[in-house]
Amino acid sequence: GAGVSQTPSNKVTEKGKYVELRCDPISGHTALYWYRQSLGQGPEFLIYFQGTGAADDSGLPNDRFFAVRPEGSVSTLKIQRTERGDSAVYLCASSFRGAGPTYEQYFGPGTRLTVT
Amino acid sequence: AQSVTQLGSHVSVSEGALVLLRCNYSSSVPPYLFWYVQYPNQGLQLLLKYTSAATLVKGINGFEAEFKKSETSFHLTKPSAHMSDAAEYFCAVRVPGAQKLVFGQGTRLTINP
Repeated sequence: GAGVSQTPSNKVTEKGKYVELRCDPISGHTALYWYRQSLGQGPEFLIYFQGTGAADDSGLPNDRFFAVRPEGSVSTLKIQRTERGDSAVYLCASSFRGAGPTYEQYFGPGTRLTVT
Repeated sequence: AQSVTQLGSHVSVSEGALVLLRCNYSSSVPPYLFWYVQYPNQGLQLLLKYTSAATLVKGINGFEAEFKKSETSFHLTKPSAHMSDAAEYFCAVRVPGAQKLVFGQGTRLTINP
């Protein structure tokens, strides 16, 4: 079946601009996660949705970052006033009913964001 | 707070040789532990996971890992490396009841012919 998809695969933007990154989770998965992977580093947690609500947004670095999931399926990560330090690969993952011991997080291929 | 340390950002082995990728964790409660593999331009794929059942865990592609509480380790091994094993490998920890995965910095595995 279809996996997690993310669009665009690559995004280049100028410093100060606004960007939106989209994630389509696996059908039926109620939990959705965003992670950020900087060059040479492991992924870092940003935010977790259960259904439509953000259950844990403790990883968002500042108020320039915001994410929504209005219908409990597709999610959009929004970054305002982008900075060069925001350049990274943004990963989305989904799982069935949240990540209990038997529920695996399935990752998408990521969106590579470059801020010039 | 939990954390993961992967010893060695780059590991190089010959085809057919033993693969050993090291992972040590820190957690205030018994954790769940994971190994993920990332091929170029692809998403993370779960290799195996430890969720408090058997301490020796077998995963896909011939990989296995052993949870050692006394050493706070979860090292990944494969008896015989294949060229297709070349990739980036990430160890991750999650506290039961929490949702987020905490990843190590990754180990790039290179296989020499």
